[in-house]
Amino acid sequence: DTEVTQTPKHLVMGMTNKKSLKCEQHMGHRAMYWYKQKAKKPPELMFVYSYEKLSINESVPSRFSPECPNSSLLNLHLHALQPEDSALYLCASSQGPGQKDGYTFGSGTRLTVV
Amino acid sequence: QKEVEQDPGPLSVPEGAIVSLNCTYSNSAFQYFMWYRQYSRKGPELLMYTYSSGNKEDGRFTAQVDKSSKYISLFIRDSQPSDSATYLCAMSDNYGQNFVFGPGTRLSVLP
Repeated sequence: DTEVTQTPKHLVMGMTNKKSLKCEQHMGHRAMYWYKQKAKKPPELMFVYSYEKLSINESVPSRFSPECPNSSLLNLHLHALQPEDSALYLCASSQGPGQKDGYTFGSGTRLTVV
Repeated sequence: QKEVEQDPGPLSVPEGAIVSLNCTYSNSAFQYFMWYRQYSRKGPELLMYTYSSGNKEDGRFTAQVDKSSKYISLFIRDSQPSDSATYLCAMSDNYGQNFVFGPGTRLSVLP
């Protein structure tokens, strides 16, 4: 299995809703990442988990809350989002932290906040 | 000056053309260089990875790195309509801690 699987593929939520994005990989990778991508822009790093511990939080608002229940799973809990948070949310993984030769990305969750 | 610069395009070429995609960067600490392809509404897919200066070939794709000029290129030979996508360069330092994407170039290969 060489894939990163993200669910759901699409999500529409209101500004008062609570929802979660899920990411799963079975490649034995020990680092997992959340990225946010707006249209026609490159991905922007949000969070890095290394060996199931949060190692990097790129000053992301608290309405985004990551969770890493085990080495194969990564969640992103969403609460009280704003319309400007609408974007493609990408999960990625790599064999270890500080991976120099690139990450494996999932197909993303397209989030629309109304 | 942005850390990594890339012509956003769009770049339109006829099928069969040779495509040249380029990035420039300012941080001399970058040692590892990658090219990702991203189709619309999909995640980025790693195409090529090179270390330091030199060339690397994989099928129709050739990646070149010129560290002295802080310039990297991706060449696509015999381009196909299926190559139509956004191409993102990315690079990291020797510790893999500073991983940066370029803004991406949109490529359209016309049949």
